Amino acid sequence: GQNIDQPTEMTATEGAIVQINCTYQTSGFNGLFWYQQHAGEAPTFLSYNVLDGLEEKGRFSSFLSRSKGYSYLLLKELQMKDSASYLCAVRNLTGGGNKLTFGTGTQLKVEL
Amino acid sequence: GAGVSQSPSNKVTEKGKDVELRCDPISGHTALYWYRQSLGQGLEFLIYFQGNSAPDKSGLPSDRFSAERTGGSVSTLTIQRTQQEDSAVYLCASSLGVDYSPLHFGNGTRLTVT
Repeated sequence: GQNIDQPTEMTATEGAIVQINCTYQTSGFNGLFWYQQHAGEAPTFLSYNVLDGLEEKGRFSSFLSRSKGYSYLLLKELQMKDSASYLCAVRNLTGGGNKLTFGTGTQLKVEL
Repeated sequence: GAGVSQSPSNKVTEKGKDVELRCDPISGHTALYWYRQSLGQGLEFLIYFQGNSAPDKSGLPSDRFSAERTGGSVSTLTIQRTQQEDSAVYLCASSLGVDYSPLHFGNGTRLTVT
């Protein structure tokens, strides 16, 4: 089975930096994704990591350590529109396919 | 359209009735997923189709739930004898089916069982 853990809620200030952590336990690890989901909307893709290290994409960066089963999403220069749920998802090989399992998400609130 | 299309967007049904939810994936995407999301919760995996392989049904919560994918494209999720605990948003997603390809989600079907 799989186990994916994220904090339930976080609060940060506009203009600041916030780091959202994700730890996972899985067999057949084959990549980790971060998604953003605004209330009432579908999740949208943010980043993908399969090798150790940092992937940077504008204000958003994602880090992976496979040996520690750990990832984080770093959001810089926070804006009010960044208030959303952030979902960590782990892909693992199963029966020859690629199943993607989501964590319960971290609700981020950006305040003035 | 260019995105994943789901219908209906909203469905209200009486307990005990059967419902069918439809998903039209992005053209050319070989992988198709169904997830369920209850209010304020994460995404619960239901079922996954990849090309012509046997689907991964490991997430279906009971034998009242079934899904099929015809011609490698459109998928239908069927819930028989609906119960109130089935009320949730049902999300469909598709991808190219290769390791690095992200899932593209539809806007979901909000199912309410009264």
